[in-house]
Amino acid sequence: AQSVAQPEDQVNVAEGNPLTVKCTYSVSGNPYLFWYVQYPNRGLQFLLKYITGDNLVKGSYGFEAEFNKSQTSFHLKKPSALVSDSALYFCAVRGYGNKLVFGAGTILRVKS
Amino acid sequence: SQTIHQWPATLVQPVGSPLSLECTVEGTSNPNLYWYRQAAGRGLQLLFYSVGIGQISSEVPQNLSASRPQDRQFILSSKKLLLSDSGFYLCAWSVVGDEQYFGPGTRLTVT
Repeated sequence: AQSVAQPEDQVNVAEGNPLTVKCTYSVSGNPYLFWYVQYPNRGLQFLLKYITGDNLVKGSYGFEAEFNKSQTSFHLKKPSALVSDSALYFCAVRGYGNKLVFGAGTILRVKS
Repeated sequence: SQTIHQWPATLVQPVGSPLSLECTVEGTSNPNLYWYRQAAGRGLQLLFYSVGIGQISSEVPQNLSASRPQDRQFILSSKKLLLSDSGFYLCAWSVVGDEQYFGPGTRLTVT
């Protein structure tokens, strides 16, 4: 069965520093991978996806993610963090029947 | 462009009362529709999904039901709410094989 793991419950980073939010996956077949962001009391916002092609995927708000097949990882990255990036981040993989399987989420805190 | 609406935004209901949450999508046809619950501000639990009018799949046995009376309308219901039904309810839509787009959510508190 498809699954996603986000090993960090929380990531703390200083404003202006690069950030990484980790995600590993387990799928049978080719993975369809997604990142979402959620601000307090809001719905999830789609950031980016990997279907096929380049291993480095660029998304919204300056975020990018690197797909690594050998390590079964899809880490979210940003070169320079902003305080406004503080939020809850979800990694997801497409499962059976076009359903998404979400990770538990990682809280990102960016301090000024 | 496509938009998704959910209402109400917040709801406080007593235990044993009925529930009806509505979700509508604009700007797309025959979307897949989903209901999720998010408890304690973290993990997402898929409750129901629908690939067409009248077609509902339930992911977990529970006190809730869903219906899709129109192509772009998805309703989450309960006949008698439990305390454990409290949470943040999210509706989402997608086209086949693509990412899901989420509504703003409904915060339900059962007292």
